[in-house]
Amino acid sequence: TQLLEQSPQFLSIQEGENLTVYCNSSSVFSSLQWYRQEPGEGPVLLVTVVTGGEVKKLKRLTFQFGDARKDSSLHITAAQPGDTGLYLCAGVLNDMRFGAGTRLTVKP
Amino acid sequence: NAGVTQTPKFQVLKTGQSMTLQCAQDMNHEYMSWYRQDPGMGLRLIHYSVGAGITDQGEVPNGYNVSRSTTEDFPLRLLSAAPSQTSVYFCASSLTGTGGPEQYFGPGTRLTVT
Repeated sequence: TQLLEQSPQFLSIQEGENLTVYCNSSSVFSSLQWYRQEPGEGPVLLVTVVTGGEVKKLKRLTFQFGDARKDSSLHITAAQPGDTGLYLCAGVLNDMRFGAGTRLTVKP
Repeated sequence: NAGVTQTPKFQVLKTGQSMTLQCAQDMNHEYMSWYRQDPGMGLRLIHYSVGAGITDQGEVPNGYNVSRSTTEDFPLRLLSAAPSQTSVYFCASSLTGTGGPEQYFGPGTRLTVT
């Protein structure tokens, strides 16, 4: 059983559409990170959220940490083909635990 | 600045063989870790180290050994490879413990055990 559940597992959309992916858990985390991974490469950190209710924006990407620090969401506005990749969330307890990821495909 | 490097990039082993996956970082990071990534499972922490001479087990440590004799290097040893260890292995480093500053990942080693 995954400590962090990510949904949806797969998402295929057209360029210009908006989307939201979710990362949920029953555990409380001291912080949560989102990564993006491209085929054949290691994950690259996008953002770290620490405070419950925190919202961070990175250009067209908006990250939110739940008030109870158990869940998070990633919203992408006007998706582009360059956003294609595997999006992973990772929560910090005594160590770091990753979700299985959302595989996003943005079609031109 | 090379960041985190891993060798080899690909490896095929037969059941029962041993090997060492190499990981090195040139950023003077204290914290280093090893993950394995399997389809539908995300990344799972194998072992980690908070500094030279200090290592600890992660979520899936069985079948793997590590040591940390220098700040730069953190090798992962498979003593007797099993088909269940077929996976992609990633090494990562960061300045402080998990969840703090950015974790930098290496490019990965794809291991197949037949």
